[in-house]
Amino acid sequence: KAGVTQTPRYLIKTRGQQVTLSCSPISGHRSVSWYQQTPGQGLQFLFEYFSETQRNKGNFPGRFSGRQFSNSRSEMNVSTLELGDSALYLCASSLTGDPTGELFFGEGSRLTVL
Amino acid sequence: KQEVTQIPAALSVPEGENLVLNCSFTDSAIYNLQWFRQDPGKGLTSLLLIQSSQREQTSGRLNASLDKSSGRSTLYIAASQPGDSATYLCAVSETSYDKVIFGPGTSLSVIP
Repeated sequence: KAGVTQTPRYLIKTRGQQVTLSCSPISGHRSVSWYQQTPGQGLQFLFEYFSETQRNKGNFPGRFSGRQFSNSRSEMNVSTLELGDSALYLCASSLTGDPTGELFFGEGSRLTVL
Repeated sequence: KQEVTQIPAALSVPEGENLVLNCSFTDSAIYNLQWFRQDPGKGLTSLLLIQSSQREQTSGRLNASLDKSSGRSTLYIAASQPGDSATYLCAVSETSYDKVIFGPGTSLSVIP
């Protein structure tokens, strides 16, 4: 059974650019959540989607957005990149559709903003 | 506002020792608590999940306990091995459909 797949694994962007990250959940999982991990702030919740609807959103500026498709795959987008957006972005999926069920994480997408 | 802390921040032990990692949360009204392991540069691996109505969960050499009233959880690792070296994070959810709040993690090093 395939795990959570995130692409790309690594990417380098410059300030002002935008980036799109992709997450494919475990088959049958309908809830997908996104987290940002930095050395200074640790793991912070970005948003969570279930059945193509955003149910929860963390305290991030509007430059961070996401969406979920009918096959449960999800994308997140960061526009007008800033140096502080450099981080490991982790995606997690959950079987029950409840974000507080057991979470299964992908390997992450490491974004470096120059 | 829920806050999660973990002590110690780092721990180094010789192989074979039993050890305890601690997690504290400020609001006892949690839905569940999860312990994760993270290897350097990798994603998180779920170790144990404790629902709010449960007191402990066990998996192999791992045992996690939960005391909601005191806002504490412990992760007990028996007979530690070098392969256990990683960062261990605890995370809580306050209600169903709520965001998961992570602690800062404990970096564990098991010395052969």
